[in-house]
Amino acid sequence: DTGVSQDPRHKITKRGQNVTFRCDPISEHNRLYWYRQTLGQGPEFLTYFQNEAQLEKSRLLSDRFSAERPKGSFSTLEIQRTEQGDSAMYLCASSLAGTGNNEQFFGPGTRLTVL
Amino acid sequence: AQSVTQPDIHITVSEGASLELRCNYSYGATPYLFWYVQSPGQGLQLLLKYFSGDTLVQGIKGFEAEFKRSQSSFNLRKPSVHWSDAAEYFCAVARNTGNQFYFGTGTSLTVIP
Repeated sequence: DTGVSQDPRHKITKRGQNVTFRCDPISEHNRLYWYRQTLGQGPEFLTYFQNEAQLEKSRLLSDRFSAERPKGSFSTLEIQRTEQGDSAMYLCASSLAGTGNNEQFFGPGTRLTVL
Repeated sequence: AQSVTQPDIHITVSEGASLELRCNYSYGATPYLFWYVQSPGQGLQLLLKYFSGDTLVQGIKGFEAEFKRSQSSFNLRKPSVHWSDAAEYFCAVARNTGNQFYFGTGTSLTVIP
């Protein structure tokens, strides 16, 4: 499968615990995005990387959230001291910059439930 | 700031009937516009996109959309809906740099036999 993959698909955790999600983009894509989607809403942008550089972060990305893309390939999103309000679907997308069409390809998402 | 409005939260249509999902955007320049579909347990799948040129764009699964600058709209249409089209549909707008997409709140489509 050459699409965007995310792991795990589901995560249930207790409030206050830390969680980490992984995203593997399409191999030749140099841009990687993280979005959060809550029930009944569209995805909301969190952050994006071009290669290993994190170029933009949303105000939604509080200091409990950190994202990395150390080698410009896969990315991780960590949430520290989870809160019930963090319960959402976390979506990853990738794209190839410079192609002129800016199409983003989305993964299946990681559904987080904070008890 | 960019934003997208999808006025219809939920739409129900009969199989074989035509469909139009509305999308209005707010953006100061020529936007990049997209329609995605999301089925339960699935990721977002791109249906079609508009960057420039012909304002009527064709997508996958028999969908089309028309960009109307004067109305700031990018409505999605399909002449004959199939039961498998039942899903959540999202309209999105991006700047030409494509750094991030701004999504609408989505329209849930139910198809009845």
